[in-house]
Amino acid sequence: GEDVEQSLFLSVREGDSSVINCTYTDSSSTYLYWYKQEPGAGLQLLTYIFSNMDMKQDQRLTVLLNKKDKHLSLRIADTQTGDSAIYFCAEIPPGTYKYIFGTGTRLKVLA
Amino acid sequence: DVKVTQSSRYLVKRTGEKVFLECVQDMDHENMFWYRQDPGLGLRLIYFSYDVKMKEKGDIPEGYSVSREKKERFSLILESASTNQTSMYLCATIGGSDTQYFGPGTRLTVL
Repeated sequence: GEDVEQSLFLSVREGDSSVINCTYTDSSSTYLYWYKQEPGAGLQLLTYIFSNMDMKQDQRLTVLLNKKDKHLSLRIADTQTGDSAIYFCAEIPPGTYKYIFGTGTRLKVLA
Repeated sequence: DVKVTQSSRYLVKRTGEKVFLECVQDMDHENMFWYRQDPGLGLRLIYFSYDVKMKEKGDIPEGYSVSREKKERFSLILESASTNQTSMYLCATIGGSDTQYFGPGTRLTVL
């Protein structure tokens, strides 16, 4: 299909791990991205993964990519209240500059 | 660091007014984008520009036009604002690894 799919909400307790999932559309997308949006702000790039990688780790963030299933996930270790935000996955199919964004997952971290 | 600025954080206009939203980037990027963001719909591409005076329609261009007279500046124009154009508007550019860099957003309310 044409849509990049994400679940709308996720709620976790402070200190737990969060896992945000995304199913994307184009298996030939070269890069896949995770963006974070805090209330009232623009989107901030968190991390990205090149399509020939299975995993990328960056401090508390781990990105897993399953190309066969077109599944991307973002794991946040030791989730903090400052991680409360909307998280968007995005892909950019080859030959275009048109990003396709997911609808975003609102992460709520409970103290 | 890439800096993308938008002329206003909040804007209130009346139905039928002509509205200009300005976006400026300081990294000499060729590609610039305008999105609107609405709850439950994610980000939708309105227009993008790949060079000065060059533009392409995105997914929802109706009711909007754009202007790119200088490389660093990309303007979104609402010729006659309507209430269904009340939204958050986000400008972005593209840098290395096809990464998009976003401005802080303009929340437009049309009364």
